[in-house]
Amino acid sequence: DADVTQTPRNRITKTGKRIMLECSQTKGHDRMYWYRQDPGLGLRLIYYSFDVKDINKGEISDGYSVSRQAQAKFSLSLESAIPNQTALYFCATSDLLRTGADTGELFFGEGSRLTVL
Amino acid sequence: AQSVTQLDSQVPVFEEAPVELRCNYSSSVSVYLFWYVQYPNQGLQLLLKYLSGSTLVKGINGFEAEFNKSQTSFHLRKPSVHISDTAEYFCAVRPNNAGNMLTFGGGTRLMVKP
Repeated sequence: DADVTQTPRNRITKTGKRIMLECSQTKGHDRMYWYRQDPGLGLRLIYYSFDVKDINKGEISDGYSVSRQAQAKFSLSLESAIPNQTALYFCATSDLLRTGADTGELFFGEGSRLTVL
Repeated sequence: AQSVTQLDSQVPVFEEAPVELRCNYSSSVSVYLFWYVQYPNQGLQLLLKYLSGSTLVKGINGFEAEFNKSQTSFHLRKPSVHISDTAEYFCAVRPNNAGNMLTFGGGTRLMVKP
């Protein structure tokens, strides 16, 4: 089984619908992230969470919200989907070294492809 | 703020030929540097990273990258590619002060032809 699991893997929806993408991890990492991938733009950070009580906006948080239900679960919601939110979404985790430093190495899920018509 | 530029969006190459994927970055502070690979229909996985020390970094699958501070570059190289190296490659940078996130380049699609 994958260490970082995303559901659903594919979703087609209509403009205005509410969508939730879910992420769960078995790596025991405290830090979790949501990215979106668009061709030619690489990955852009939507939201991140350093622990259950910590939620932070990333580069492109408008139109999105998140919930950290537990250390292992981090979900991304689109309250009212629009076509330019059509993208491949990735959940990722990271951990700290024993020194407390975060090297930035990320562990990714397999992605959730969302199409908004 | 930092930025990453991958100069080539696509690189076609024949099997067993050498390849170099270029990455340049800008940052006002010292950085950590990464290359990630994304195989078709999969998530990204770490290929190699530079944190400190030797500027020549070796990664998985025979890839290596060299950190050049004066040119702010971190180009990825492999002396002989295989069909199985066909994938998208992402360069990423993170300032080494606490609390900063990774910034990714736009990606380079490596297409290895028989």
